[in-house]
Amino acid sequence: DTGVSQDPRHKITKRGQNVTFRCDPISEHNRLYWYRQTLGQGPEFLTYFQNEAQLEKSRLLSDRFSAERPKGSFSTLEIQRTEQGDSAMYLCASSRGQGTEKLFFGSGTQLSVL
Amino acid sequence: GQNIDQPTEMTATEGAIVQINCTYQTSGFNGLFWYQQHAGEAPTFLSYNVLDGLEEKGRFSSFLSRSKGYSYLLLKELQMKDSASYLCAADPDSGAGSYQLTFGKGTKLSVIP
Repeated sequence: DTGVSQDPRHKITKRGQNVTFRCDPISEHNRLYWYRQTLGQGPEFLTYFQNEAQLEKSRLLSDRFSAERPKGSFSTLEIQRTEQGDSAMYLCASSRGQGTEKLFFGSGTQLSVL
Repeated sequence: GQNIDQPTEMTATEGAIVQINCTYQTSGFNGLFWYQQHAGEAPTFLSYNVLDGLEEKGRFSSFLSRSKGYSYLLLKELQMKDSASYLCAADPDSGAGSYQLTFGKGTKLSVIP
């Protein structure tokens, strides 16, 4: 079990630019989640994949956000036309896909929009 | 809607016992998790309760009362490395759903010598 990895660890961008983050889940895990966390808050659910299918999206996920998991393995999260309010830690998590179960989180991508 | 409440901050002394409380109100319920998160790091799983009662795992124990919508995390023999945020999270979906978790804001625990 090599853990969930995310890239990059940090991203600084100017307002209006597009950014893309990558998540590599634990290899045998079917479920993949994206969460967002701001300072002093708990993680907030953004979206969820079961294999390559995106099954649920939070209303927090505006149309500027898009996520993909094309082959049911790694996932990308793209934010278009970034805004200062997008500054946050973006966490990826994965799980085996067997009912209610613990999530394994990556270390996150810290986004700062200037 | 979903609502999870836990204290914002707590301070305890090395070697002591501390109890972190969590209350939840969710439309459905499929279990409650506790995660530990050190500053700048990923949350890591501590415990999961779905039935009423106490689950003990080494120095950490977690309790659940479904009828009261209440849980606590008990940390014994506190060590300096236990200084972290402790996140309470509920799975609000009782049916075939996404198994997403709703997190509380976290309790920042400071362990002092």
